Amino acid sequence: DAGVTQSPTHLIKTRGQHVTLRCSPISGHKSVSWYQQVLGQGPQFIFQYYEKEERGRGNFPDRFSARQFPNYSSELNVNALLLGDSALYLCASSHRTGNTEAFFGQGTRLTVV
Amino acid sequence: KQEVTQIPAALSVPEGENLVLNCSFTDSAIYNLQWFRQDPGKGLTSLLLIQSSQREQTSGRLNASLDKSSGRSTLYIAASQPGDSATYLCAVPNTGFQKLVFGTGTRLLVSP
Repeated sequence: DAGVTQSPTHLIKTRGQHVTLRCSPISGHKSVSWYQQVLGQGPQFIFQYYEKEERGRGNFPDRFSARQFPNYSSELNVNALLLGDSALYLCASSHRTGNTEAFFGQGTRLTVV
Repeated sequence: KQEVTQIPAALSVPEGENLVLNCSFTDSAIYNLQWFRQDPGKGLTSLLLIQSSQREQTSGRLNASLDKSSGRSTLYIAASQPGDSATYLCAVPNTGFQKLVFGTGTRLLVSP
């Protein structure tokens, strides 16, 4: 079975632009979460979606939004990019919410110039 | 608010040594604790998940222990190899299970 897949793996954007990151969870997993990781830090929570509904939101500005599709894949959108948005964006999937193991994708490296 | 701390921030050892990585958390009311490995610029690989009812979990040369009352977990790596070089992160879920709270990681370098 394929693991969590994210696309693209790398991208470079200009300040003020918009970006869409994509994530496909492990087959059978219904929960997808997004994290931002800057160099030297642990991942910081952005969103959790379960059964296509937002279940949690971290301390990020409204420029960040996400959604989950009927096939449980997910998109993270960031508007009006800032230099500080440069980071590794990680997607995690789990079978359900609650006391369950999380599996991460390889990440999308976003560079804002 | 749950906070997770990992000590040391970096560790360098010669090949073959046994080593211990530490993780501490401020709120002992956790349901589980997960250890991850991260290679530079890559995603996270799940190593071990310990449920709150467990004291230890083993996978190959890795052994993780959990002491909820003291707010601590340790990851023991036996007979370290250069391929073990990576950053190791621990994480616990928040009360509502919406998110994982991560430590900042321990960067391990195993020299041949």
